[in-house]
Amino acid sequence: LAKTTQPISMDSYEGQEVNITCSHNNIATNDYITWYQQFPSQGPRFIIQGYKTKVTNEVASLFIPADRKSSTLSLPRVSLSDTAVYYCLVGDRETGRRALTFGSGTRLQVQP
Amino acid sequence: DGGITQSPKYLFRKEGQNVTLSCEQNLNHDAMYWYRQDPGQGLRLIYYSQIVNDFQKGDIAEGYSVSREKKESFPLTVTSAQKNPTAFYLCASSTGLAGGKGTDTQYFGPGTRLTVL
Repeated sequence: LAKTTQPISMDSYEGQEVNITCSHNNIATNDYITWYQQFPSQGPRFIIQGYKTKVTNEVASLFIPADRKSSTLSLPRVSLSDTAVYYCLVGDRETGRRALTFGSGTRLQVQP
Repeated sequence: DGGITQSPKYLFRKEGQNVTLSCEQNLNHDAMYWYRQDPGQGLRLIYYSQIVNDFQKGDIAEGYSVSREKKESFPLTVTSAQKNPTAFYLCASSTGLAGGKGTDTQYFGPGTRLTVL
């Protein structure tokens, strides 16, 4: 199965920019990179998706280098409510499944 | 309101009993998924369905069964064969990308927390 690798946890303070990097060496040509956010006892929520270069929305930015073997989720000026687990998701080249393999995620803790 | 619903929110079961978790969506999505999440862990795929009357095993299908008789419904049965069924179960749906373009966005329900007594 295609795998993603993310840091297990990160700590930050309110108002800082947070960058979470995900490695996905086996990403397939047609695969997009998707990030989700999950709060305790809730289902994950879509944050952002991209294919290459840079994507920005009202919540975050996603940076993808030319080789697409990694991506970086950037959260500008985090607040306490951004404390959550963040998952990076790509497709599965071996079986052809799309966006069905979640990694362990990155647990972000924002301090006041 | 469009969305995906799961019921019940909390479920208790005695060992040796089968139990069925409900998942309904009114987003007109073709694809639906079931995941299991254990405390402090990521999501693991149990089963998924790309179209009505068809479904595929995920990474941890043993001890579970599903059906997809209607587009909007994808119930999951946790059977007595599942050795450690206590977990948080999440259902999701997506458009399914019949055209084969990249990765489509999954929308998740609120989850069902199953506890085996």
